[in-house]
Amino acid sequence: EVQLVESGGGLVKPGGSLRLSCAASGFTFSSYSMNWVRQAPGKGLEWVSSISSSSSYIYYADSVKGRFTISRDNAKNSLYLQMNSLRAEDTAVYYCARVAIGSDAFDIWGQGTMVTVSS
Amino acid sequence: AIRITQSPSSLSASTGDRVTITCRASQGISSYLAWYQQKPGKAPKLLIYAASTLQSGVPSRFSGSGSGTDFTLTISCLQSEDFATYYCQQYYSYPSLFGQGTKLEIK
Repeated sequence: EVQLVESGGGLVKPGGSLRLSCAASGFTFSSYSMNWVRQAPGKGLEWVSSISSSSSYIYYADSVKGRFTISRDNAKNSLYLQMNSLRAEDTAVYYCARVAIGSDAFDIWGQGTMVTVSS
Repeated sequence: AIRITQSPSSLSASTGDRVTITCRASQGISSYLAWYQQKPGKAPKLLIYAASTLQSGVPSRFSGSGSGTDFTLTISCLQSEDFATYYCQQYYSYPSLFGQGTKLEIK
C-alpha cells in the first residue's frame, strides 16, 4: 500500500524549533518530488515547501523562507522539515504530499501532524 | 506569484443537485490546475489534475474544465458523501498556491 506517515509534531514555544518527518512506503520514494503543505485550524491549505527527487530543486513559501529547511534521505525513504524560529502563525496541521509523475499534482497525502506554537 | 481566486466560498445544495465551483488564476497557467476534496479531520484527496483529467478511482460525476485562467469543477447529481470542502491548486509555477476553498453543505 502506498503510504505517507508524518511524525514529529507537538507543542513548542515561540522561537523554538521542531523537526517533522514523513516516512514513505509502498512506492519508489527516490523517484518522486515531495512537498509539505500546512493547514491552520479552520483555515485553508497553504503550500510550504517542495523538494525534487534528487534534492536538486528546492522551493519555499515566502512565509517560511529562511526559517524552514526541507530535506530528504532517499536511502531511508524519508522526507523532513526542519522548522526554526517558530511563530504562533506556524500553528497548523502539516501534511507531506507526493507529486505525481507526469501530472505534477499532489496525488498521495499523509494523515498530517499537528504543530502548535504557543507559550 | 500566481494567485488563485476560488468561488463561492460556501455553497448549499441538495442530494441530486448539480453544482459548479470556479477558480480564476491571476495569469495563464495552461492546464496546470488540480482539484482536491477534503473532509473534516482528513487529508485532502486528489480528484482532478491537468484541469480535466479524473484521478483513478474518482466517480465520473466529478468533472473539470478550463484552461488559461478560468477553471470549473462540476459535480453532477450530488451524493451524500460529496459534502466536503473543495480546493483548487495551480502547479504551473512555485509557489504552488491553493484557492481559498469552497465548503459544500447540505441544504
